[in-house]
Amino acid sequence: AQTVTQSQPEMSVQEAETVTLSCTYDTSESNYYLFWYKQPPSRQMILVIRQEAYKQQNATENRFSVNFQKAAKSFSLKISDSQLGDTAMYFCAFCVTGTYKYIFGTGTRLKVLA
Amino acid sequence: NAGVTQTPKFQVLKTGQSMTLQCAQDMNHEYMSWYRQDPGMGLRLIHYSVGAGITDQGEVPNGYNVSRSTTEDFPLRLLSAAPSQTSVYFCASSLRADSNQPQHFGDGTRLSIL
Repeated sequence: AQTVTQSQPEMSVQEAETVTLSCTYDTSESNYYLFWYKQPPSRQMILVIRQEAYKQQNATENRFSVNFQKAAKSFSLKISDSQLGDTAMYFCAFCVTGTYKYIFGTGTRLKVLA
Repeated sequence: NAGVTQTPKFQVLKTGQSMTLQCAQDMNHEYMSWYRQDPGMGLRLIHYSVGAGITDQGEVPNGYNVSRSTTEDFPLRLLSAAPSQTSVYFCASSLRADSNQPQHFGDGTRLSIL
C-alpha cells in the first residue's frame, strides 16, 4: 500500500527563522508527483509547492522550497523567513501517475511565533 | 470565478438519516474528488471522478455514493448516516485528470452524526 508519513505532528518557529517539515512516502512506482498543501485556521486547503518525481531539480516557490530525495523517498519542505501568516497545518501528498488517487499524510501543525 | 463551492457548511444528522453534500465548480475542471478529514488521519479519498459520467472509489468509499452527470457538479450522498461518518468533508477539483495537477479545494462541510 502507498503511504505518506509526516513524523512531526507539531512544530514551532520564530518569525523570520527557517523551518523544515519532513515527509516520507512509500511506493514501488517510479513515476509520481508530490505536493505540499497548507491549511490555515480558515480551513481552506491551498497548494504550496509541487514536484515531479522525474525532475532532479528541487522545486522552489518564493520562500518555500523542497528537498526531494527520490532514493530515500523523502520530500521535505523548507520555509525561509517564516511569517506569522505561515501558521497552518501542512500536508504532504503524492499521486502515482495515472492512478488519479492522491494520498495525504497526517499533517504537521506549524506555529510561527512573534 | 467562485472556484469550488460546497454546501452546506455545517450539518447535523441523526443516525440513519440520508443526505447529499453538494459540490460545484465553475472552472471547467475535468477531475473532481471528495475527501474526509479526521483528527490525526489527514485527508482520505472517498470517491473521485475523471470526467462527466465517470466515477471511481477511493480509499474509504463505504457508506457513500457519488455521481457526475455534469462537469460542474459532483454530489456526495450518505445513504444511512452513522456516527463514524462524523467528519469534515472536502471537495476538490483540478483542471485535468493528470496526477501532476494541483487541486483546488472547497471550504469544507462539517458534518456531525448523532
